[in-house]
Amino acid sequence: ETGVTQTPRHLVMGMTNKKSLKCEQHLGHNAMYWYKQSAKKPLELMFVYNFKEQTENNSVPSRFSPECPNSSHLFLHLHTLQPEDSALYLCASSQDPVQETQYFGPGTRLLVL
Amino acid sequence: DQQVKQNSPSLSVQEGRISILNCDYTNSMFDYFLWYKKYPAEGPTFLISISSIKDKNEDGRFTVFLNKSAKHLSLHIVPSQPGDSAVYFCAASAQTGANNLFFGTGTRLTVIP
Repeated sequence: ETGVTQTPRHLVMGMTNKKSLKCEQHLGHNAMYWYKQSAKKPLELMFVYNFKEQTENNSVPSRFSPECPNSSHLFLHLHTLQPEDSALYLCASSQDPVQETQYFGPGTRLLVL
Repeated sequence: DQQVKQNSPSLSVQEGRISILNCDYTNSMFDYFLWYKKYPAEGPTFLISISSIKDKNEDGRFTVFLNKSAKHLSLHIVPSQPGDSAVYFCAASAQTGANNLFFGTGTRLTVIP
């Protein structure tokens, strides 16, 4: 595997479910990111991790809980989501979190019923 | 309020001609700009970037122009090819922003054979 991978690619969940999105990067990068893209809206940064430490939380509701066990893996734990949370969730990585080009995974298309 | 704007949601160009995609920004602190290309069911792919110390950067068929006084950048693709058909996103960051990329809403380019 090369680049940034994300699983699952598609997810349908009810509002009471708990699920997790997984991201893995094979680029040797030190920074990882979660973005959300809703229909007709620009990508919005959710979380930034640098060397496994969270350095940015863009006022994201607590029903989204990130986890970064090491520099290669990033999770987004979801629980009690709302239908308006339905969106494309993209993971990205960069060598360092200071004006480095970010490389994106294919995304997880999430539908909350 | 959106800090990066792509006011043209779509653009159609004949194969072999020049494609010009535009982007405007409002934050004068932005000093690093990127263009990403996105195919359906894939994540955004980095295309080209430019630092605010330059006003032009060229990579093969792709050239990005930056006009700091107008807070405007553009991506030129010449000659355009059918494989260039995709959604193009403009993004910007400020050196103090911990690599928080602000994205536009994208322009869908269709290159007609």
